[in-house]
Amino acid sequence: KQEVTQIPAALSVPEGENLVLNCSFTDSAIYNLQWFRQDPGKGLTSLLLIQSSQREQTSGRLNASLDKSSGRSTLYIAASQPGDSATYLCAVKDGGATNKLIFGTGTLLAVQP
Amino acid sequence: GAVVSQHPSRVICKSGTSVKIECRSLDFQATTMFWYRQFPKQSLMLMATSNEGSKATYEQGVEKDKFLINHASLTLSTLTVTSAHPEDSSFYICSASKGGGLYNEQFFGPGTRLTVL
Repeated sequence: KQEVTQIPAALSVPEGENLVLNCSFTDSAIYNLQWFRQDPGKGLTSLLLIQSSQREQTSGRLNASLDKSSGRSTLYIAASQPGDSATYLCAVKDGGATNKLIFGTGTLLAVQP
Repeated sequence: GAVVSQHPSRVICKSGTSVKIECRSLDFQATTMFWYRQFPKQSLMLMATSNEGSKATYEQGVEKDKFLINHASLTLSTLTVTSAHPEDSSFYICSASKGGGLYNEQFFGPGTRLTVL
């Protein structure tokens, strides 16, 4: 059974710092991995999607990497801003004949001004 | 774009009543729609997967008679929480996929906050 874990559970950094969020998954047979952002009481905003054949994806200050064989992904945020404060979730699309997304436990990020 | 809406965004009801939540794909046809629930400070848990015109597939532990899902068209899926109780209070989020392919992305709605008194 696929399990997705995110470390750390919470992170507080001063504005301007670069930071890395970690996501690990137990079964490497995935189709893709996606990073989301969730603001309090809101839905999900998709940040980056990496297909299983890809190593990384970039969007603005965000860079996500995927190492499928080791079951790891990282989300790198450059020059953090207070507006980046949110919960960040990673999710893997599990292998097999389903279309399921398995979500991680999330990292609560606070960027202090 | 790929926009998914949910209605209502927030609902408060009395224990024992039924509540219907709508999920719509606004600018694409969604072959498959998914329903998740999220408890405070927890991650999303998949409740069920629905394909247009067929019965929903429920995850283990989710009561299908309690959470009725209808996917009557390619742009609309509904989740009805029947005889709601306080323990059903949660944040319900739907997502929609443009196709049935395994590489297809899911697009998420803004969520519905259900509070059962």
